[in-house]
Amino acid sequence: DAGVIQSPRHEVTEMGQEVTLRCKPISGHNSLFWYRQTMMRGLELLIYFNNNVPIDDSGMPEDRFSAKMPNASFSTLKIQPSEPRDSAVYFCASSWAGGYTEAFFGQGTRLTVV
Amino acid sequence: AQKVTQAQTEISVVEKEDVTLDCVYETRDTTYYLFWYKQPPSGELVFLIRRNSFDEQNEISGRYSWNFQKSTSSFNFTITASQVVDSAVYFCALSEVNFGNEKLTFGTGTRLTIIP
Repeated sequence: DAGVIQSPRHEVTEMGQEVTLRCKPISGHNSLFWYRQTMMRGLELLIYFNNNVPIDDSGMPEDRFSAKMPNASFSTLKIQPSEPRDSAVYFCASSWAGGYTEAFFGQGTRLTVV
Repeated sequence: AQKVTQAQTEISVVEKEDVTLDCVYETRDTTYYLFWYKQPPSGELVFLIRRNSFDEQNEISGRYSWNFQKSTSSFNFTITASQVVDSAVYFCALSEVNFGNEKLTFGTGTRLTIIP
């Protein structure tokens, strides 16, 4: 399997622009996680899907962030409008059975908002 | 609420020394899973081990070993005869599975530097 695939790997955008991050989980996995990593806050869980349904979005910073999982093989994380403080590495991860099994991470998307 | 504490922010040791990374967790659940991940300088997160709350047996994999003690809520990670390639940030993580929300919560990580 190709593993979790994220795109783009790097994104530089201007403040106020919309940003969409994409994730393809490992085939057969039923859980998907979006994390954000910064020096100040470490690895933060933004949202967790199980069987395409959002289970916990308490980590989504504010209304500017939204995530969707229209099917088992695709998820998006959208930031609109983007702000410089959104600059971070965003990771997508998937697992076969939620918290029962290990999550496998994508390579991450490094987002820079200028 | 579940919480993972990695009190050691940074550790430096000379190559070939042994090093232990500490992890202390808090959970209200009786069934939970503990994990260790490695993040090398290249940035990806690599899974190392998973442990469930009912299995307190220590585990050894090559130079890596893990000590799980429910009595102290700890899940420590030891690298024996460290090598430069072990330099990375190591994360401990916890998931609770009894309350329908199986999110994975990470500690703040320990940056390990192996000095040649």
